[in-house]
Amino acid sequence: AQKVTQAQTEISVVEKEDVTLDCVYETRDTTYYLFWYKQPPSGELVFLIRRNSFDEQNEISGRYSWNFQKSTSSFNFTITASQVVDSAVYFCALSEAMAAGNKLTFGGGTRVLVKP
Amino acid sequence: SQTIHQWPATLVQPVGSPLSLECTVEGTSNPNLYWYRQAAGRGLQLLFYSVGIGQISSEVPQNLSASRPQDRQFILSSKKLLLSDSGFYLCAWGLGVYNSPLHFGNGTRLTVT
Repeated sequence: AQKVTQAQTEISVVEKEDVTLDCVYETRDTTYYLFWYKQPPSGELVFLIRRNSFDEQNEISGRYSWNFQKSTSSFNFTITASQVVDSAVYFCALSEAMAAGNKLTFGGGTRVLVKP
Repeated sequence: SQTIHQWPATLVQPVGSPLSLECTVEGTSNPNLYWYRQAAGRGLQLLFYSVGIGQISSEVPQNLSASRPQDRQFILSSKKLLLSDSGFYLCAWGLGVYNSPLHFGNGTRLTVT
């Protein structure tokens, strides 16, 4: 069965520091997508980035970057030069091509607190 | 553009009372629809999903039920609420393909007293 683990429950940093969030996943499917979502204090989940299982090229988008390593089943997410507005809970999620309903399986989330 | 509406935003209900949460999507046809629950300080648990009108799949046996009376309407219900039903309920829609992200509503915070 699919599983997503975010070992870090909470990270606290000072503004302008970099923050790296860890995500480890388990799946039997060879075709899948990985996602990162942000949940600010207001509660709604905001989609940030996605990556498919066939593309291990790491990318940067603005202050966000991600490191996908299939060999270790990890999909880590980095916020560069953090800002107070980055304070939120971040969720990693997995979507498998063979799963019914195209549902997302979420990790437990990592709370990021950016102090000014 | 597509939008998702979920209401109410907050709800306080006594144990044993019924529940009805509603979610509607605009700007797309035949979306997949989902209900997730987030307990305090926890991750998101998928409760139900629907790939079409009248088609409901349950992920977790529980005190809740879901219905999809119209293409873009998804309802979460309970006949008698339990204390353990308290949590943050999120409705989401997706295009029905595995590489498509889910898009979430603003959520309903339910407190059962």
